[in-house]
Amino acid sequence: DIQMTQSPSSLSASVGDRVTITCRASQNFDSYLNWYQQKPGKAPKLLIFATSNLHSGVTSRFSGSGSGTDFTLTISSLQPEDFATYYCHQRDKFGQGTKVEIK
Amino acid sequence: EVQLVESGGGLVQPGGSLRLSCAASGFTFNSYSINWVRQAPGKGLEWVSYISSSSGNIYYADSVKGRFTISRDNAKNSLSLQMNSLRDEDTAVYYCARDGGVPGTHHFDYWGQGTLVTVSS
Repeated sequence: DIQMTQSPSSLSASVGDRVTITCRASQNFDSYLNWYQQKPGKAPKLLIFATSNLHSGVTSRFSGSGSGTDFTLTISSLQPEDFATYYCHQRDKFGQGTKVEIK
Repeated sequence: EVQLVESGGGLVQPGGSLRLSCAASGFTFNSYSINWVRQAPGKGLEWVSYISSSSGNIYYADSVKGRFTISRDNAKNSLSLQMNSLRDEDTAVYYCARDGGVPGTHHFDYWGQGTLVTVSS
């Protein structure tokens, strides 16, 4: 069974910081990885699809990269509205989430 | 504007049944596959089920296989999830989510607001 592992599970950062979240798949079975942002009480929102493609309307502060089993979501300069939980996703599997909190 | 609106959630006893609906608007419904994704309170996201645009392909998570049935009515732009033999661990917010339509990428580009299902005696 494929597992998606995100790291870290949580992080504290300041406005303006560069933030990197990693997602590792237990097997290389698909080259496409997606990232979502979820705020408390709200539905997830697509940020990045197919590893590095920005979803319509998403700020270019967000970027994605990676291949094989290792993928990365980067927020170039953290803004107040970016404090949320982020999930990676591949086919029928989600990572456990990374909560980004204010330092 | 793409919209997905879920309904039908509520409180049900263990072993009971519930039928969730998802009403779609703002896009050509019969051209897109749709998924159900759930989130238990305070937990992460779990994919539940998938149905292709013409209902020709249907998949379920092992955790719900044999208990849940996904279906769609393209004439009514609607999706359903029939949930039987409900268990405590099925308690979650259930989201319908549109498959992005880019072959092979399996991403969920639009989500509904979710409907809460609580299984408890």
